[in-house]
Amino acid sequence: QKEVEQNSGPLSVPEGAIASLNCTYSDRGSQSFFWYRQYSGKSPELIMFIYSNGDKEDGRFTAQLNKASQYVSLLIRDSQPSDSATYLCAVPLLISNYQLIWGAGTKLIIKP
Amino acid sequence: DTGVSQDPRHKITKRGQNVTFRCDPISEHNRLYWYRQTLGQGPEFLTYFQNEAQLEKSRLLSDRFSAERPKGSFSTLEIQRTEQGDSAMYLCASSPWGGSNNEQFFGPGTRLTVL
Repeated sequence: QKEVEQNSGPLSVPEGAIASLNCTYSDRGSQSFFWYRQYSGKSPELIMFIYSNGDKEDGRFTAQLNKASQYVSLLIRDSQPSDSATYLCAVPLLISNYQLIWGAGTKLIIKP
Repeated sequence: DTGVSQDPRHKITKRGQNVTFRCDPISEHNRLYWYRQTLGQGPEFLTYFQNEAQLEKSRLLSDRFSAERPKGSFSTLEIQRTEQGDSAMYLCASSPWGGSNNEQFFGPGTRLTVL
């Protein structure tokens, strides 16, 4: 089992709708979780991080963490064509606080 | 400061040649990371520096790969005797010491093509 898993997509969402991206992780002791956005041909950029169970909101983005079920999700409200990108979930390796273990990413397409 | 920079942005080389990439982190960041990313995959950790000390290195990294950060500022990644399987995007990232999270700021990457 991969340590961090994401559905590769593509996930197609109409403009203005809510896009929901999911990530599961294998290490029950993981404490922090990161969502990065990567446009085609560009490098990743941090969208959100979350430590605590529950929801964390930042503008149109909401991260949801459920440690009991070992998943973290990212919701994008009022989706815009500019949100079309690959969204990567990353979790620090427990034995090292410096290494991030990355999912393969979910490609999101927002259709006008 | 405009962020993490990497040079070159693209490198095409023949199999068996050596290549060297450079990364200049954000000036106040003492942590520096190298990753490799292939199409359709997330970044794969290669190595990590705290100041000039190389604290971690991936077990996946063969002896052909070496990285340095001699003065705790810029870093270089060298690949000796390149193979076609080394073709990938090589990403550098940096982060500040003592940050409340592990936010890593990425450079634009160096795309390596080995013919």
